[in-house]
Amino acid sequence: DGGITQSPKYLFRKEGQNVTLSCEQNLNHDAMYWYRQDPGQGLRLIYYSQIVNDFQKGDIAEGYSVSREKKESFPLTVTSAQKNPTAFYLCASSITGGAGTEAFFGQGTRLTVV
Amino acid sequence: AQKVTQAQTEISVVEKEDVTLDCVYETRDTTYYLFWYKQPPSGELVFLIRRNSFDEQNEISGRYSWNFQKSTSSFNFTITASQVVDSAVYFCALKEDPGTACKLTFGTGTRLQVTL
Repeated sequence: DGGITQSPKYLFRKEGQNVTLSCEQNLNHDAMYWYRQDPGQGLRLIYYSQIVNDFQKGDIAEGYSVSREKKESFPLTVTSAQKNPTAFYLCASSITGGAGTEAFFGQGTRLTVV
Repeated sequence: AQKVTQAQTEISVVEKEDVTLDCVYETRDTTYYLFWYKQPPSGELVFLIRRNSFDEQNEISGRYSWNFQKSTSSFNFTITASQVVDSAVYFCALKEDPGTACKLTFGTGTRLQVTL
């Protein structure tokens, strides 16, 4: 089945450690996105990529890094510089350009800093 | 800057009641897109509808209907004869820049609880 796979579903990290969240899609979409969800704040865009080897910062990129070496994959690294990393992280993908496109989402990774 | 407001934080209804979820948006663009997504307890966002700024026709899909009014910058979502399976968090979202990627600005969501 086509879709977006995020792993792991739950992740625990010690303070001061970097951690990488995985996102893979087999929808043949050019664009991929990372959003962060906090209670009562909706979703906020961290990074997005419209093409391999290129990506742009979203609204809250500080403390995060990404790579886009393959069309199917867009991993997110939460670095120790991220002051409050505990959150629910959602990956999405879409076609690019023109009218009428929507983003499709994965099932999310819940990150807890302990 | 664009903004989406969902003033209703949480709504509780009894099964078979109708319920309307409100969404008000702000944008300076003349071309934009509005979306509704459903987030069940599993966490994944499920796409429900997309509407572009030039199409003010209301839409009905089964028990779901959407009312888009540019004059009031609103894009409200009504569930008719609600069911327990409708319990979820619902997000309204806005996309500007039609020529680029699907970067969405989300509202804070409305949690709908449908009870028997």
